[in-house]
Amino acid sequence: SQQGEEDPQALSIQEGENATMNCSYKTSINNLQWYRQNSGRGLVHLILIRSNEREKHSGRLRVTLDTSKKSSSLLITASRAADTASYFCATEIAAGNKLTFGGGTRVLVKP
Amino acid sequence: GAVVSQHPSWVICKSGTSVKIECRSLDFQATTMFWYRQFPKQSLMLMATSNEGSKATYEQGVEKDKFLINHASLTLSTLTVTSAHPEDSSFYICSGLWGLNTEAFFGQGTRLTVV
Repeated sequence: SQQGEEDPQALSIQEGENATMNCSYKTSINNLQWYRQNSGRGLVHLILIRSNEREKHSGRLRVTLDTSKKSSSLLITASRAADTASYFCATEIAAGNKLTFGGGTRVLVKP
Repeated sequence: GAVVSQHPSWVICKSGTSVKIECRSLDFQATTMFWYRQFPKQSLMLMATSNEGSKATYEQGVEKDKFLINHASLTLSTLTVTSAHPEDSSFYICSGLWGLNTEAFFGQGTRLTVV
């Protein structure tokens, strides 16, 4: 069963705009990770945020984590057409354990 | 990051035949391998977890006799889909983990089409 739910399920924006997607989960976690998947391809690891962290940045990506609300958000700033992909959050309950993925958000960035 | 090589990237097979998918960790020893399945426009669902030298642990609803997982070495895990049927057509992805590291590295995935 899926641990996380993501919203929106799909997002269409213009190049240069920001894209925000949210992930909610059900149980306590060790960390939460965000991945990108281009159509028909494997997963690319974007960022990992630990349960004791609240915010993390990587280039144009900003991730927040609110463990009290069991939710996380991924913000992509100044989006580019190349950011068009599906984005998944995944939670890890304990180190070295399996990942449980959310339903994903399909992002379309129009040039 | 570390590299996990998955092969083949796509395969078409006839109904009733078996297909083997390989997942190799190229520059690290994967003490744990995870196998996921992804249907079109859906998320990844974990099928099984395998630790090197041990029997795989399957998720609820996944038939262990149909999806045979072998993790005989620290750099190679295989998933064999036995007696494949059209409903097994899916995207299969492996990931490898070393020890208690928190970041698993994913293979490129295998698109299986059963006709």
